[in-house]
Amino acid sequence: GQNIDQPTEMTATEGAIVQINCTYQTSGFNGLFWYQQHAGEAPTFLSYNVLDGLEEKGRFSSFLSRSKGYSYLLLKELQMKDSASYLCAVMGGGSYIPTFGRGTSLIVHP
Amino acid sequence: GAVVSQHPSWVICKSGTSVKIECRSLDFQATTMFWYRQFPKQSLMLMATSNEGSKATYEQGVEKDKFLINHASLTLSTLTVTSAHPEDSSFYICSLKVRDRGTYEQYFGPGTRLTVT
Repeated sequence: GQNIDQPTEMTATEGAIVQINCTYQTSGFNGLFWYQQHAGEAPTFLSYNVLDGLEEKGRFSSFLSRSKGYSYLLLKELQMKDSASYLCAVMGGGSYIPTFGRGTSLIVHP
Repeated sequence: GAVVSQHPSWVICKSGTSVKIECRSLDFQATTMFWYRQFPKQSLMLMATSNEGSKATYEQGVEKDKFLINHASLTLSTLTVTSAHPEDSSFYICSLKVRDRGTYEQYFGPGTRLTVT
């Protein structure tokens, strides 16, 4: 399987920038997803990376380094509504079915 | 708009009864759909991969006779929790994965919260 590690909880201030890291160990890497999940709701897709580098989408950016087994999600201009759990998911082992990390609970305070 | 719908959004049932959860793909023909379970403050755990017209593939530790999956059409997959017990209380989410121009997106249904009393 894929060993996926991300911090359990992070806090940040409204308007600031926060970086959520995800490390993984796998062979046969086929891509990495980031999702946002608000409490009691299903996850929503944020990004997909399969090649090294940074993908930017508005306030959210995602970075991947395959050689380091490392990704991060960067959130800029934080808003209160960004308080949520952020899930890193990896398609590895030659599979195209994502395996999810435990998620990082982000708390944004005024 | 929504890509995947689920019904019901929540259900309360008595121990020993069966509950059926429907997952519909609204925009895509889904030959494959995924069923996940999520316990409070934990991540999504893949239960099974639902394959249209054939048997589902279950993850290790998931009882196929307890969690019956039927994927009879390209737009509908159902999960039936048979003889439900309180420990089956969880958030059940279906999803489908779409490949478009070399990239993947995975769409989740809104989830079904099952409470077994």
